Amino acid sequence: GAVVSQHPSWVICKSGTSVKIECRSLDFQATTMFWYRQFPKQSLMLMATSNEGSKATYEQGVEKDKFLINHASLTLSTLTVTSAHPEDSSFYICSARGVAGGMDTQYFGPGTRLTVL
Amino acid sequence: AQRVTQPEKLLSVFKGAPVELKCNYSYSGSPELFWYVQYSRQRLQLLLRHISRESIKGFTADLNKGETSFHLKKPFAQEEDSAMYYCISGGYQKVTFGTGTKLQVIP
Repeated sequence: GAVVSQHPSWVICKSGTSVKIECRSLDFQATTMFWYRQFPKQSLMLMATSNEGSKATYEQGVEKDKFLINHASLTLSTLTVTSAHPEDSSFYICSARGVAGGMDTQYFGPGTRLTVL
Repeated sequence: AQRVTQPEKLLSVFKGAPVELKCNYSYSGSPELFWYVQYSRQRLQLLLRHISRESIKGFTADLNKGETSFHLKKPFAQEEDSAMYYCISGGYQKVTFGTGTKLQVIP
């Protein structure tokens, strides 16, 4: 069935380094991919929406130069946190929207926990 | 702007009791509404979508345009229903999450 994978599941990095998170749709092509951020005990906050081959649309307050999104194909989107700082530590979740098994819906990845020291 | 409101952060009910998780939305146009569930240590997964008018795991949700609500209901709660529930308003290019309600079913 339709699945969205994320890699890595957990990353710890030093302040000032950049981290890339991959999001892949398996067994279906994602027309749109979304990136979210979730703080402890809070809901998911949409960061950006991306369509394959075009620039991502960022939500208000999200720095596009800090959170670089590349949607290179219909099955892969990447989020790069550039020059990460401790305040960027969070749980990042991607979702992919597409048609799988005849149903058009949104499928979520398992999330990536980023810890910046 | 779209907004989705889930007024309850935590809802505790006894096993076998009815459950209603509230969701209200503000949306100009025809909304597309979903309920997603997140069980402990698992990813978010689709529970219901309003256009399907289906019943999944005993849960139903009816879109009430007059009250702008999409409440999730189940007549008899089970322990395995304990999870976080998110009401989501979404389209192809925009997704808005509610704040989530933690359902705790007491045995």
